[in-house]
Amino acid sequence: KAGVTQTPRYLIKTRGQQVTLSCSPISGHRSVSWYQQTPGQGLQFLFEYFSETQRNKGNFPGRFSGRQFSNSRSEMNVSTLELGDSALYLCASTLGGSNTEAFFGQGTRLTVV
Amino acid sequence: GQNIDQPTEMTATEGAIVQINCTYQTSGFNGLFWYQQHAGEAPTFLSYNVLDGLEEKGRFSSFLSRSKGYSYLLLKELQMKDSASYLCAFGNSGAGSYQLTFGKGTKLSVIP
Repeated sequence: KAGVTQTPRYLIKTRGQQVTLSCSPISGHRSVSWYQQTPGQGLQFLFEYFSETQRNKGNFPGRFSGRQFSNSRSEMNVSTLELGDSALYLCASTLGGSNTEAFFGQGTRLTVV
Repeated sequence: GQNIDQPTEMTATEGAIVQINCTYQTSGFNGLFWYQQHAGEAPTFLSYNVLDGLEEKGRFSSFLSRSKGYSYLLLKELQMKDSASYLCAFGNSGAGSYQLTFGKGTKLSVIP
């Protein structure tokens, strides 16, 4: 079966702009989580959606938001981009149970200039 | 609070055995995961421990001690392709959600 698909793979944006990233989970998976990965901080949890509802949110400012559609596809949005938002953004899908493995997409490499 | 620590870098020789340690502190715990991430690629699942003890999967084994907040990943018969970052993460399901808290990863270099 198809894996987790993230688009676009690469993005370059200017400070102050906003960006939308997309994630299509594995078919049948209803939980989608987003993570930010930087060399200094590693993988940090942004938020998790299940059946179109945000169930949990990490410690990120309100500029970071997301949503999930009825087909489980998810988007995350970052507004008023800052240089420090440059990172690899990873999406992970799971069936939803806490003891299940997460399948990661290839990520979107965002560069803010 | 929540915390998870693992060594930043390790180097080992092809054919050898290497153990990557991970210590964690959390109030809500639903298991310990290990992921492998090659440079420029997505993390891929290696193992999951929820009970104390050793889980073996081919050349890879993972151990968990919940009372000590300690886990390790053991890689045997190292191959050059094992050069990657190894991420330790604990799962928690606060408020019914699914969340992984990751360590910063251990970059393993396998040398000939």
